[in-house]
Amino acid sequence: AQTVTQSQPEMSVQEAETVTLSCTYDTSENNYYLFWYKQPPSRQMILVIRQEAYKQQNATENRFSVNFQKAAKSFSLKISDSQLGDTAMYFCASPFNDYKLSFGAGTTVTVRA
Amino acid sequence: DAGVIQSPRHEVTEMGQEVTLRCKPISGHDYLFWYRQTMMRGLELLIYFNNNVPIDDSGMPEDRFSAKMPNASFSTLKIQPSEPRDSAVYFCASSFYPGVQGGELFFGEGSRLTVL
Repeated sequence: AQTVTQSQPEMSVQEAETVTLSCTYDTSENNYYLFWYKQPPSRQMILVIRQEAYKQQNATENRFSVNFQKAAKSFSLKISDSQLGDTAMYFCASPFNDYKLSFGAGTTVTVRA
Repeated sequence: DAGVIQSPRHEVTEMGQEVTLRCKPISGHDYLFWYRQTMMRGLELLIYFNNNVPIDDSGMPEDRFSAKMPNASFSTLKIQPSEPRDSAVYFCASSFYPGVQGGELFFGEGSRLTVL
């Protein structure tokens, strides 16, 4: 079975500091995409960043970056210079080679002022 | 574009009643997904459509649930009869191409259903 695991239910970070969210997955596929989605208190989920397993270079989107370790099947998200607006639940997800996106359980991030 | 539009935003109903949730995907998106989110089970895919055709409904919990997509701009998820355990937030999402090809899912704001 292909699974996505987020082992940190909650994390708290001081504004302007850095927080790293972990995600591990299990798949036998060789090429696939990995995603991080953000769900703020407003509920609407939005894409934060995506990574193609084929690419060695870690994806970066402004203050958000990933550390993709394909051999270890690890896909962590780093939020730098945390802002109050980053407070949300973050989901790691992958469809692997299926059309169905499998989500992790989520990590709630609280940014403290 | 206005994004994915869902209605109603909130629905409170009594057990046994019929519930219909509605979704308007982003124009031009060929894929439409219905997800359910609960504390216990997280995000679950219920069904998805490609070009208005249901492709995989294996996530639909039981026969009380049905989904339709009569045209490219409208989809419904119906629960009949509803039960308290159906209480959840139901999300509709659409994409131009599927996640397996790197496609981004665009979510609606969700419909929070409470069945008393």
